[in-house]
Amino acid sequence: DTGVSQNPRHKITKRGQNVTFRCDPISEHNRLYWYRQTLGQGPEFLTYFQNEAQLEKSRLLSDRFSAERPKGSFSTLEIQRTEQGDSAMYLCASSPSGTGVGNTIYFGEGSWLTVV
Amino acid sequence: TQLLEQSPQFLSIQEGENLTVYCNSSSVFSSLQWYRQEPGEGPVLLVTVVTGGEVKKLKRLTFQFGDARKDSSLHITAAQPGDTGLYLCAGAGGSNYKLTFGKGTLLTVNP
Repeated sequence: DTGVSQNPRHKITKRGQNVTFRCDPISEHNRLYWYRQTLGQGPEFLTYFQNEAQLEKSRLLSDRFSAERPKGSFSTLEIQRTEQGDSAMYLCASSPSGTGVGNTIYFGEGSWLTVV
Repeated sequence: TQLLEQSPQFLSIQEGENLTVYCNSSSVFSSLQWYRQEPGEGPVLLVTVVTGGEVKKLKRLTFQFGDARKDSSLHITAAQPGDTGLYLCAGAGGSNYKLTFGKGTLLTVNP
């Protein structure tokens, strides 16, 4: 079990540029999540995949954001035309599938984005 | 919208002291998870509580889920500098796949 892996860990970009983050979930975890965390706040839900299907997107996910999980394994989160307000830590998480109460969600180390 | 309120927001104590952190909501959660997060890192899971009234112990940490599954507490005994970090509670709703986080309690344990 190598845990949830994210890269790059840090990204500094100029306003208006596109950035892409990658997430490799824990193997055999069917569920994958993206969260965003800004300073002084807890993580906020962005989107959720069950295998390759994107089942829910938060209103926080504007049309400049797109997430994919093409083969039901790794996922990418792309931000187009970045704005300074996009500066945050982007967290990926995964969990096993199933409807059992208490399915635990495990987070990666996060990808820090700074838009200058 | 489910909201989780954590208190206190900041806590600075001396090594060896005890402390309790609270997580409250007006909503019922199917489960609640506690995480600890260090600067620049992702949250690390400490515990998941599922049953109302449940108490779980992890070494010097004691977690309790309220009877009505709306609130939870984390008690640390004899705090150590290594306990320093941001403690986050997160609740899962009926679908159990999406977590709602509190803003966290930033704990500093001074040697």
